[in-house]
Amino acid sequence: ETGVTQTPRHLVMGMTNKKSLKCEQHLGHNAMYWYKQSAKKPLELMFVYNFKEQTENNSVPSRFSPECPNSSHLFLHLHTLQPEDSALYLCASSQDLTYGYTFGSGTRLTVV
Amino acid sequence: KNEVEQSPQNLTAQEGEFITINCSYSVGISALHWLQQHPGGGIVSLFMLSSGKKKHGRLIATINIQEKHSSLHITASHPRDSAVYICAGLRARGADGLTFGKGTHLIIQP
Repeated sequence: ETGVTQTPRHLVMGMTNKKSLKCEQHLGHNAMYWYKQSAKKPLELMFVYNFKEQTENNSVPSRFSPECPNSSHLFLHLHTLQPEDSALYLCASSQDLTYGYTFGSGTRLTVV
Repeated sequence: KNEVEQSPQNLTAQEGEFITINCSYSVGISALHWLQQHPGGGIVSLFMLSSGKKKHGRLIATINIQEKHSSLHITASHPRDSAVYICAGLRARGADGLTFGKGTHLIIQP
């Protein structure tokens, strides 16, 4: 474990389902991120939270809804997803948006 | 054009060979991360560089600020080094998160 824990590791959901991805870190970091990795494409930033405040929303569709209740927890709520949303979703944390970048193991999402 | 460009995309080498992976980046990138991703997806941060050179075991990372170029070297490569190596740039503003290269898929054959 890297210090950033993501659950679940794998998720299969239908297009009408609602599910949530969870990320937890106890490294004392104040910034948390959601990244998406699709097949054959570079990692893409989705959301950034700094001290629980969302500082970046990288033109992500509204069917992805982030939530950061405190500096240690980050959620990604999913609803009415499309098959093209199938990807590896990675959570990361860092200190001051710069140092100690630590990634979770990711959630492999398949939308059917 | 991607802000971070890596080469080569794929690299196969024999155990023991010296490996070099290159990364070029654009204006506005203030620091570079080198990351390692194994099958299954988990990513490990190897180095963060804003100048000079860093070494950890058999891994060496260098950066040339003037040329906007960084290299990752692996000495005495081993099959367990087989992974995808990703170069990622941190923008000066920081709040944008990391911007990633496409990765180099390295296979070290015994």
